[in-house]
Amino acid sequence: NAGVTQTPKFQVLKTGQSMTLQCAQDMNHNSMYWYRQDPGMGLRLIYYSASEGTTDKGEVPNGYNVSRLNKREFSLRLESAAPSQTSVYFCATSISMGSQPQHFGDGTRLSIL
Amino acid sequence: QQQVKQSPQSLIVQKGGISIINCAYENTAFDYFPWYQQFPGKGPALLIAIRPDVSEKKEGRFTISFNKSAKQFSLHIMDSQPGDSATYFCAASSTGTYKYIFGTGTRLKVLA
Repeated sequence: NAGVTQTPKFQVLKTGQSMTLQCAQDMNHNSMYWYRQDPGMGLRLIYYSASEGTTDKGEVPNGYNVSRLNKREFSLRLESAAPSQTSVYFCATSISMGSQPQHFGDGTRLSIL
Repeated sequence: QQQVKQSPQSLIVQKGGISIINCAYENTAFDYFPWYQQFPGKGPALLIAIRPDVSEKKEGRFTISFNKSAKQFSLHIMDSQPGDSATYFCAASSTGTYKYIFGTGTRLKVLA
């Protein structure tokens, strides 16, 4: 029973490279989220998907795109990585939007040189 | 109005002591106030949560106190243990929106 699985766990990129962060959940949750965590800034929402087939921008969407591939999978893409995108990225899920517990993966640590 | 202000930034407590972390919010539409615990290298995990219809919720050694009029809520960890050493985040959200506003975190260290 894995919960929320993120791949890869670590990645180093050069400026301008692209990559996709993967997230898969086996909790049968409808809503999925991508956050970034930076020191002293808590967790900031990048994009979210309220349900399969929908995606919307969060607080800090610039430089990112997402795909809700199906109910289980929600990917985050960096088209042209910048050093400012060095961060720890977390995927989370909840049974529905709003005032519900969120369940997090263990994160992807991304460094952009 | 969307911020959740968390204090202190860091906290050192002796084993067996009480750890207290505070959060304040402005948006009166918030109706769900969770606390998350995060260990190094791991994602945040829900610890305990409260809704504004009660003033206190206790689960084992962890208690949330909620003051609706002051728009404040706090986490109390009784009989703190070295295994409680982690970063704690408060958060707030409101029904029907996607917004889940996190505080900036408190790094707790419990000395053995």
